[in-house]
Amino acid sequence: QSVLTQPPSVSGAPGQRVTISCTGNTSNIGAGYDVNWYQQLPGSAPKLLIYGNIFRPSGVPDRFSGSKSGTSASLAISGLQAEDEADYYCQSRDSGLSGLMFGGGTKVTVL
Amino acid sequence: QAQLVESGGGVVQPGGSLTLSCAASGFSFNSYGLHWVRQAPGKGLEWVALISSDEHNKYYGESVKGRFTISRDTSKKTLYLQMNSLRPEDTAVYYCAKDRVEWELGAWGRGTLVTVSS
Repeated sequence: QSVLTQPPSVSGAPGQRVTISCTGNTSNIGAGYDVNWYQQLPGSAPKLLIYGNIFRPSGVPDRFSGSKSGTSASLAISGLQAEDEADYYCQSRDSGLSGLMFGGGTKVTVL
Repeated sequence: QAQLVESGGGVVQPGGSLTLSCAASGFSFNSYGLHWVRQAPGKGLEWVALISSDEHNKYYGESVKGRFTISRDTSKKTLYLQMNSLRPEDTAVYYCAKDRVEWELGAWGRGTLVTVSS
């Protein structure tokens, strides 16, 4: 059971906007630790999608955006495309742990 | 462009040992922390271990603490994971990853599969 909670799945039609939540607590996200997001396409390694809560690495389309408020963070995908079908993971740190942790992952399906 | 290539995976019996390697190129090896992250079949990501850029600090996930050892060789630009007392639940694809900055996994290898089974 992950400390960071994500919905197992979300879906949307092409062109729609979907959001993925990542819910933590006052020991992790609420303690001020940054949230990062990773995209894992089928059969591939994960890739950094959002870092520092809101920033996109070079090459990531601006359809992807991140936000953070209180003990939660969110990833939004606007203008959903078929190529966005993948698993998405949030990641942060926790004051009670010496390392880092991932959310359970969310599978995005494009209808 | 950072490149990470894992090797050393395979089938091992419960209680056995295995050492994974990750060859790095395309970046200043001794300037970045390096991680191991694993993914059991059909499951999510689990962070395993981190070694700091200067090798002085090592951190481990609770499920591997005392059984796994992370190390790095700057002269060979290679990251290692020594895995002892392996259990069936250690079966997973093991990825090495490089910090973008501390605690952000900016680049990943393709992974190597470890299967623990009799």
